[in-house]
Amino acid sequence: GDSVTQMEGPVTLSEEAFLTINCTYTATGYPSLFWYVQYPGEGLQLLLKATKADDKGSNKGFEATYRKETTSFHLEKGSVQVSDSAVYFCALTLLDDKIIFGKGTRLHILP
Amino acid sequence: NAGVTQTPKFQVLKTGQSMTLQCAQDMNHEYMSWYRQDPGMGLRLIHYSVGAGITDQGEVPNGYNVSRSTTEDFPLRLLSAAPSQTSVYFCASSYTLAGARGELFFGEGSRLTVL
Repeated sequence: GDSVTQMEGPVTLSEEAFLTINCTYTATGYPSLFWYVQYPGEGLQLLLKATKADDKGSNKGFEATYRKETTSFHLEKGSVQVSDSAVYFCALTLLDDKIIFGKGTRLHILP
Repeated sequence: NAGVTQTPKFQVLKTGQSMTLQCAQDMNHEYMSWYRQDPGMGLRLIHYSVGAGITDQGEVPNGYNVSRSTTEDFPLRLLSAAPSQTSVYFCASSYTLAGARGELFFGEGSRLTVL
């Protein structure tokens, strides 16, 4: 069935380090791909998205490229900040009423 | 810009009590949904609705009821609370899930404890 797999956390980095959070998916058809972020005590909010192969989503210094050949949508940031500490969820949608989330990756950034 | 509003933010119940978590959105979204979030379990879909008068079950619907009498409101009812329903509940809405406009808007969450 359709699924999203993302690397388990927690991931702990020092400030200004390079970040990669891996996300791979299995889907029939052509999904749209998303990264959501959840800051402590808040609901999820959209970070970035890509709707077709080779699209790159970007926001707040984060980037992810829709790779159809490797069925991946890895999240990257060149220099993380303490304020990036949060839980990150990869997700896909296939139809108008179906969205599948990964289990989330907790990120800790040390000053 | 209210977005998605959930009430209450915190609630403590005794086993067997019933209650309703309220969710309202002011963005004229057709799609609304309820999730629960437990440590290490990610998000699990409870119920969802693709429009007024239409509801469907998600991954973990047992013990919960929903209704969608208006586009704006999507209340979640716990019929007889159990300790296993201790969780953080999120309501989310969307114009459409798929394609270029696909985005879920989440409320701030309701933390429920069942003793």
